[in-house]
Amino acid sequence: QVQLVQSGAEVKNPGASVTVSCKASGYIFSTYFLHWVRQAPGQRLEWMGWIDAGRGNTKYSESFQGRVTITRDTSARTVYMDLSSLRSEDTAVYHCARGGDDNWNDLDYWGQGTLITVTS
Amino acid sequence: DIQMTQSPSSLSASVGDRVTITCRASQGISNYLGWFQQKPGKAPKSLIYGASNLQSGVPSKFSGSGSGTDFTLTINSLQPEDFATYYCQQYYHYPLTFGGGTKVEIK
Repeated sequence: QVQLVQSGAEVKNPGASVTVSCKASGYIFSTYFLHWVRQAPGQRLEWMGWIDAGRGNTKYSESFQGRVTITRDTSARTVYMDLSSLRSEDTAVYHCARGGDDNWNDLDYWGQGTLITVTS
Repeated sequence: DIQMTQSPSSLSASVGDRVTITCRASQGISNYLGWFQQKPGKAPKSLIYGASNLQSGVPSKFSGSGSGTDFTLTINSLQPEDFATYYCQQYYHYPLTFGGGTKVEIK
């Protein structure tokens, strides 16, 4: 079965960077896109970007341009999301999600989420 | 950006009830719409893609309809495990955007 297992919660200082990982199993890793979506307390879900796990191409939301980088390690079947210049508003649960068979922007399976807390 | 507006933001219903949630897009999105269920502390679970297609393994009590700007999610015969927050998401245009959620609570 498809599984996306994310790295654990982290606490960061403002201005720092964070890397969240998402390890995939149960499907052919290189044939799907992986997205990152975050959910800040009391806010709606917010899409951050995707990576084509096969080609390595990426697309980012303009809201995060210059601060977010998504990469992948095909041998480890793992996708990484780096977010830099952290501020308190970046405190949120970060999810990876797989793009679906029908459309790569249809998010069919999700990781369990990783809480990132930004505090001084 | 395409704004997604869900209504109601919350509702109370009883076990066995039929529930309908609506989602409106600020511009036409054809049928590029998904619905998700989220329980507290858990990841969202995909229910519907392409506005009306059931994801694999999702019970047929869930159904979706609509095209263009107006969409609905219907849950038949509400059961205790269905009490959760439901979100719509458009994937017609970047950035992908989500509705604000509808919390379905027990009456």
